[in-house]
Amino acid sequence: DTGVSQDPRHKITKRGQNVTFRCDPISEHNRLYWYRQTLGQGPEFLTYFQNEAQLEKSRLLSDRFSAERPKGSFSTLEIQRTEQGDSAMYLCASSTSDRGNTEAFFGQGTRLTVV
Amino acid sequence: KQEVTQIPAALSVPEGENLVLNCSFTDSAIYNLQWFRQDPGKGLTSLLLIQSSQREQTSGRLNASLDKSSGRSTLYIAASQPGDSATYLCAVSRNAGGTSYGKLTFGQGTILTVHP
Repeated sequence: DTGVSQDPRHKITKRGQNVTFRCDPISEHNRLYWYRQTLGQGPEFLTYFQNEAQLEKSRLLSDRFSAERPKGSFSTLEIQRTEQGDSAMYLCASSTSDRGNTEAFFGQGTRLTVV
Repeated sequence: KQEVTQIPAALSVPEGENLVLNCSFTDSAIYNLQWFRQDPGKGLTSLLLIQSSQREQTSGRLNASLDKSSGRSTLYIAASQPGDSATYLCAVSRNAGGTSYGKLTFGQGTILTVHP
């Protein structure tokens, strides 16, 4: 499978615990994005990497959230001290930065439930 | 700040009908617009991408148009089928000096139900 891969697909955690999600982008894509989607809403941007550099972070990304993309390949999104309001679908996408071909491709998402 | 609005929020049609989904955006300085499909509990599948210099794109029974100056796009689905039932999302990326800034701003989606 050469698409965007996310792991795990589902995560149930107790409030206060830390969780980490992983995203493997399409191999030739240098851009990687994280979005969050709650029920009935469109995805909201969280953060964005070009290669290993984190170029933008949304104000939605509180200091409990941290994302990394070591070596410009896979990325991880960690949420510390989870709260019930963190329950959502976390989506990862990748694209190139080539002017003529910036189509974004999404993974299947990680569904987080905080109980 | 870019805002994207999709109308209608939900649509239910009988099989075989042609239908139109609407998307509007407030800032016309976009690089491209993408239409996505999302099945319940799943990720997003890209349907069509329209560059800001283009007027339309077609893929099979789908046709997307773009009027950048008026901030509007439509997704036309011909001869709808029950398998088309899903949420359809449009998203725009900002033009950053002639290239895509990258991040997408999404509408809230249109929930489409096609019944047999």
